[in-house]
Amino acid sequence: DAGVTQSPTHLIKTRGQQVTLRCSPISGHKSVSWYQQVLGQGPQFIFQYYEKEERGRGNFPDRFSARQFPNYSSELNVNALLLGDSALYLCASSLGAVRQGDTFGSGTRLTVV
Amino acid sequence: AQKITQTQPGMFVQEKEAVTLDCTYDTSDQSYGLFWYKQPSSGEMIFLIYQGSYDEQNATEGRYSLNFQKARKSANLVISASQLGDSAMYFCAMILPNSNSGYALNFGKGTSLLVTP
Repeated sequence: DAGVTQSPTHLIKTRGQQVTLRCSPISGHKSVSWYQQVLGQGPQFIFQYYEKEERGRGNFPDRFSARQFPNYSSELNVNALLLGDSALYLCASSLGAVRQGDTFGSGTRLTVV
Repeated sequence: AQKITQTQPGMFVQEKEAVTLDCTYDTSDQSYGLFWYKQPSSGEMIFLIYQGSYDEQNATEGRYSLNFQKARKSANLVISASQLGDSAMYFCAMILPNSNSGYALNFGKGTSLLVTP
């Protein structure tokens, strides 16, 4: 079975631009979460979606938005990029059973120049 | 506010030896869950083990065990018989449920483990 797939794997953008990151969860997983991991830190929660509804939002500015599609795939959008948005963006999917943990993708490495 | 603390930025262990990675947490909730994830250089976070606050026994998964000391608010990961492939970053995390029936994982800063031959 395919794991969580994220695209693109790497991306370079200029300050002020907009970016869209994509995530396909494991088949059957209805929950998708997004995390930002800056170098040397643990991942920070951005959003969680379940059945196309937002279930949680982390402490990120309104420049960050996301949505989930009927096939449970998800997009993360970041507007007006800042240098500080440079990070590894991780997507995770789950069935909702907490004990089984979330399954993460390999991430999208975003560099803002 | 809930907080996860990992005080060891880096650890070394020789192959086939056991190693303990430290994690302390702070929460006022009685019901909570703790995780350990492994992050190799490829980037993905790999779920290793879970411990619920009401679980009576320490969690074990193969070579991984969690030394859960509730009164001390610690949840240390023990890796037995280390292998070269265990070299990676290790993150301790706590689950944070919210009022919207969702949840988030609150991660520590991680510990880099290097297994030497």
